[in-house]
Amino acid sequence: QLLESGGGLVQPGGSLRLSCVASGFTFDNYAMIWVRQAPGKGLEWVSAVSGGNTNKYYRDSVKGRFTVSRDNSKYTLFLQMNSLRAEDTALYYCAKGDYYDRLGTFDFWGQGTMVTVSS
Amino acid sequence: QPALTQPPSASGSPGQSVTISCTATTTDIGNFYYVSWYQHHPGKAPKLMIFEVSKRPSGVPDRFSGSKSGYTASLTVSGLQAEDEGDYYCSAWGGNNKVVFGGGTKLTVL
Repeated sequence: QLLESGGGLVQPGGSLRLSCVASGFTFDNYAMIWVRQAPGKGLEWVSAVSGGNTNKYYRDSVKGRFTVSRDNSKYTLFLQMNSLRAEDTALYYCAKGDYYDRLGTFDFWGQGTMVTVSS
Repeated sequence: QPALTQPPSASGSPGQSVTISCTATTTDIGNFYYVSWYQHHPGKAPKLMIFEVSKRPSGVPDRFSGSKSGYTASLTVSGLQAEDEGDYYCSAWGGNNKVVFGGGTKLTVL
């Protein structure tokens, strides 16, 4: 199971920290990903991290603003989002990869947490 | 323009087959081996339907199949059922530092 939290309403330029708590699998064996869906739009990859928290990946539009991390001892994935913009408004999903550092397949997803950036 | 191009919509009657295409418009996806398909109902958790072009996870009906030709991948749903309605997204990874999704296809069962 994957359970996201931490979403909410924030003003432009503000910050939020999303969390995704995992259960039912050996968390540190698998890469994890954040994907978002803006209202009325399709799925968009945001960021990913390898099982050991060593390799981290970001889409260009969030580089320097978002930071992905994980606490394997607590089976938790994080996304620290700073300098938020209106275009970051979306439902944010976390998902589990199928291998330690491979981003081709995501076999289990959470229900998402909503982030709204507005003044 | 998304790096993966899908038709915005597809439809078919119950029992028919429908195929959704996914064409790469970027060279960032390597040999196009890591192609996945997801079924999504907005606000719900996406569900993996096909991975590595043509492999089916356990629990996914064998009515769902995947294939590719060059840099176009396809998802075929045979014997359409009402429960197959939803949005379908392809994704690809080129072994590099980014994941790309298609724009999504809304499948309607008439």
